[in-house]
Amino acid sequence: AQKITQTQPGMFVQEKEAVTLDCTYDTSDQSYGLFWYKQPSSGEMIFLIYQGSYDEQNATEGRYSLNFQKARKSANLVISASQLGDSAMYFCAMREGTRGATNKLIFGTGTLLAVQP
Amino acid sequence: DGGITQSPKYLFRKEGQNVTLSCEQNLNHDAMYWYRQDPGQGLRLIYYSQIVNDFQKGDIAEGYSVSREKKESFPLTVTSAQKNPTAFYLCASSVDRASHEQYFGPGTRLTVT
Repeated sequence: AQKITQTQPGMFVQEKEAVTLDCTYDTSDQSYGLFWYKQPSSGEMIFLIYQGSYDEQNATEGRYSLNFQKARKSANLVISASQLGDSAMYFCAMREGTRGATNKLIFGTGTLLAVQP
Repeated sequence: DGGITQSPKYLFRKEGQNVTLSCEQNLNHDAMYWYRQDPGQGLRLIYYSQIVNDFQKGDIAEGYSVSREKKESFPLTVTSAQKNPTAFYLCASSVDRASHEQYFGPGTRLTVT
């Protein structure tokens, strides 16, 4: 069965430093997609970054980058130059099934990031 | 302004009552989704719809029902058969079933006593 594991319930980081949030996944599909979402205290889910299983380059979006290690089945999120506004819950998710078949997402349990001034 | 609206933000009901949560999008997206989030957990898929007049059960559909009569709207009914209905409910949409990004609404926090 497909599964997402986030082993860090909470993380602290100093403002302006980089932080890595861990995510490992389990799937028997050859084609899959990996996502990171941010959930502030207000509750909405904000899409951050996407990595396809066949993408050779690690995805980057501004201060966010995804460290994709396919053999290790890991998809860690790196946030560079942390800001106070980055304090939130972060969820790793995987799209179940091959592209075009469905867009169902499976989520991990999340990591609560606190950025300290 | 394009986006997804969910109302109300907070909803209170007595046990045994059905309640319907609204979800509207003006993004012209074909696919829509309902997720449930419990404290300390990630989101779990309740129902999804890839096109008007069609929907499929997700991982935890028991005690819930949906309809998709219009492209813009995907209401979720929490029935009295749902044993633990108190949760945070999030609606999402995507351009189609193949698109990468799902856009989420602000959520509805349902409390049943």
